[in-house]
Order: sequence, then C-alpha cells, then structure tokens
Amino acid sequence: GQQLNQSPQSMFIQEGEDVSMNCTSSSIFNTWLWYKQEPGEGPVLLIALYKAGELTSNGRLTAQFGITRKDSFLNISASIPSDVGIYFCAGRFPSNDMRFGAGTRLTVKP
Amino acid sequence: DAGVIQSPRHEVTEMGQEVTLRCKPISGHDYLFWYRQTMMRGLELLIYFNNNVPIDDSGMPEDRFSAKMPNASFSTLKIQPSEPRDSAVYFCASSGLAGASSYNEQFFGPGTRLTVL
Repeated sequence: GQQLNQSPQSMFIQEGEDVSMNCTSSSIFNTWLWYKQEPGEGPVLLIALYKAGELTSNGRLTAQFGITRKDSFLNISASIPSDVGIYFCAGRFPSNDMRFGAGTRLTVKP
Repeated sequence: DAGVIQSPRHEVTEMGQEVTLRCKPISGHDYLFWYRQTMMRGLELLIYFNNNVPIDDSGMPEDRFSAKMPNASFSTLKIQPSEPRDSAVYFCASSGLAGASSYNEQFFGPGTRLTVL
C-alpha cells in the first residue's frame, strides 16, 4: 500500500535554531501538504504545495514539492517555543484521498 | 467562521456498547473525511464522502464501523459493538469550497477522544 516515510521522528532543538524535516513516498501525489498538531487539537494546515518543484513560504516556514512528486520538505527558521508540536506531511491523490506521514515531534528549548 | 464541529469531545464507554460520533463540516464544503489517530498507526483515513455520497470506505476497519452523511451539514461515524482496540482520537475533516483557492485543503475538527473500557 501507499506509505509516507517522514523523518526525523522527533527533534529537540534550542530556540533560534533552524529545523528541517522531510517526507518521501513510493507513490506520486498531486498535492503535498504540511500540518501542525498541538495537544488536544486537530491538525492545522500550514502549507499546501500543488506543483512539482514548487517552493512556498509562510512566514518562517518554507516547504518544497519535490521534482519527482514523491517527496517534500519543510523548514522552520529561527524556531520559537510556540513551534512545539507534531508536524505531519500529507500527500493527496487526484481522487482527494490523502495519506499522512507518522509525524515529527518538535521540542524547542527556550 | 465556524470550523469543523465534532461531538462529543470525549467519550468513555464499555466494551460492547454502541458509540456514535458526530460531525458538522464547514458550510459549503462538499468533501467530508473521517480519520482515526493512534500512537501506533498515526492518522488513518477511514472513509470519505463527496456530496453526501461515500466514495471510498476501504479504510473502515471492520463491519462494526459504519458512517452516514444524511445531508450536507451532518455526518455520523458509528461503532457497534465497540471494543477496547477502538480507543483512539477520531477526526472529521472537510474540504471543497467551490471557487476558493483552498478548494482541496482539508480542515480538521478538534477530534473525539474515544476510550473503550
């Protein structure tokens, strides 16, 4: 079946450091999305990518849709304590079906 | 704007009981998704609807699970009978505001945390 491999599983960083996480898949997606989930809440969409090679920024967040359409990365620059949470990548098929990565748990130490 | 609304937020029940989870999607969205989240398996898509019609229910784990969408503003996910291994957080998400740039982006509800004893 389709699987998304997300790495790293967890990160412990110091406030102010940059963060990078990525997802790879054996499947080709037509959309890549990155979500953040905080305790007791549902995932919240951060960035959506619609074209292979697309590089999109949202504040301190930057994400790219891989050329092969099988991978994506998310970078967070100058991390702050409120960046703490679990970050999920998701790939969407043309049918609107989506698959999620296992998540990257980010801890930011002040 | 009201987001996706789910109820109840927490449910504790005993094995064998029927459980019904409810979802109200964002007004105007024509896709509705049900997900289950556990530590072991992460986020799993159970079923999704388009214009109230089930499109893909291949993620529904067993016949004990059923989902309905009687109208554009309401959906239920029912588990009967419930088992301890059904304990998880169940999310509803919706997407598809026609004409919006975010047409394909799914917006999640806060989830229902289900505990089956």
